[in-house]
Amino acid sequence: DTGVSQNPRHKITKRGQNVTFRCDPISEHNRLYWYRQTLGQGPEFLTYFQNEAQLEKSRLLSDRFSAERPKGSFSTLEIQRTEQGDSAMYLCASSFTGFFQDTQYFGPGTRLTVL
Amino acid sequence: KNEVEQSPQNLTAQEGEFITINCSYSVGISALHWLQQHPGGGIVSLFMLSSGKKKHGRLIATINIQEKHSSLHITASHPRDSAVYICAVSYTNTGNQFYFGTGTSLTVIP
Repeated sequence: DTGVSQNPRHKITKRGQNVTFRCDPISEHNRLYWYRQTLGQGPEFLTYFQNEAQLEKSRLLSDRFSAERPKGSFSTLEIQRTEQGDSAMYLCASSFTGFFQDTQYFGPGTRLTVL
Repeated sequence: KNEVEQSPQNLTAQEGEFITINCSYSVGISALHWLQQHPGGGIVSLFMLSSGKKKHGRLIATINIQEKHSSLHITASHPRDSAVYICAVSYTNTGNQFYFGTGTSLTVIP
């Protein structure tokens, strides 16, 4: 297993365009999390999935953001009509959560720059 | 919402020094996590704690549940320890998502 992967690693787009990021978690992990990190700050929670169900969304996740995990494996995060304030590192993490809490394993992130 | 605060924000040390980074939180938690982030973004989990103390190599993490405080210690620091160290807390009854501090940027000078 190669860990959590994210694609693309970098994305530059013009304001108003739509972008989509992909996260491939560790294969046996049932939980998948999306976080956003702006420069000089700690990451902030956006949303998480248990298998294919999206169980919680942060109020940071405006209507322009949508996330899916259609088969309980990979996940996509789409941002519509991007704004300059969306520029950030988007991090994905996965974990296996059963009776005992497990830690999360992070991907390398997708750095989004909105011009 | 749990407020997670770290200190110091920035830390510069000479190689070999003993380093301490502190983390405090405002609401009772299920677990506290120490993470390391290198330039370029990759985050690696160092420790997950719910009580007591854990040690891995030159790293030691402690937590005091009553005082809502945790410390990360690095003994015999080395330039390769230079990174951002982030404290995060999680709750089993809310999906275990992490609530992060702002991080401590550590630079170890040879």
